[in-house]
Amino acid sequence: QVQLVESGGGLVKPGGSLRLSCAASGFTFSDYYMSWIRQAPGKGLEWVSYISSSNNYTNYADSVKGRFTISRDNAKNSLYLQMNSLRAEDTAVYYCASFRMPPPDYWGQGTLVTVSS
Amino acid sequence: EIVMTQSPATLSVSPGERATLSCRASQSVSSNLAWYQQKPGQAPRLLIYGASTRATGLPARFSGSGSGTEFTLTISSLQSEDFAVYYCQQYNNWPRPWTFGQGTKVEIK
Repeated sequence: QVQLVESGGGLVKPGGSLRLSCAASGFTFSDYYMSWIRQAPGKGLEWVSYISSSNNYTNYADSVKGRFTISRDNAKNSLYLQMNSLRAEDTAVYYCASFRMPPPDYWGQGTLVTVSS
Repeated sequence: EIVMTQSPATLSVSPGERATLSCRASQSVSSNLAWYQQKPGQAPRLLIYGASTRATGLPARFSGSGSGTEFTLTISSLQSEDFAVYYCQQYNNWPRPWTFGQGTKVEIK
C-alpha cells in the first residue's frame, strides 16, 4: 500500500536551516507529482510547494519563495524540502503528499518543525 | 490568490442528523474543488474531488455539489466517526497555487 513517511523535523532557531525528507513506497514514485503542505499548530492547511514527476517543474507559495527549495530523487523514492532563513511563522507540521493530477490523494503523517529561540 | 471561505466555523450536529458544510471561492474555480476530513493527530484524508466525485471507498452518505464559486459538502446521516474538521481546497488552473479554506469543525451536539 502507499506509504509516505516524513522525517527531519525538530527545533531550530530563527534564521536557521532544516532539511525535511519524505520516503515513499507502495507506488511508482517517478510517475507522481509531489507536494509539501503545512499546518501551523491549531490552524488550517497551507500549500507550500510542489514538484513535477520528472523534477523539471517546481512552484512555491509566496510565503516561502526564495527560502525553501523542493527537490526529489526518483532513484531513492524520496522527496526533500530544504528550508533556510526559518522564521517563527514557519512553525508547523509539514506533510508530504502525492498525486498524478490534483488534488493530492495520499498524505504522510507529517513532521513537526518548531522555530524558536 | 483565490481565497476560500468556509461556513460555518463550527457545526453542532446530533448523530444520525444531516450536516451541510459550505465553501465559497473568491473567483470561479470551475469544478476544481476538493474536500478533506481531518481528525485530531491525523493527516487530512481526501473525500471528494472534482467538486462531486467521491474518493475510493468513501461511504455514500458523503456527497459534494456545486461549481464556480459555491460548493457544498453534505453528510446525510452523521456517524460517530464523522466528527472531525473538514477543509475545502481549490486547485484551479493547475499548476497555479492551491488554496484551502479555514475549515469547519463538525462536533457532537
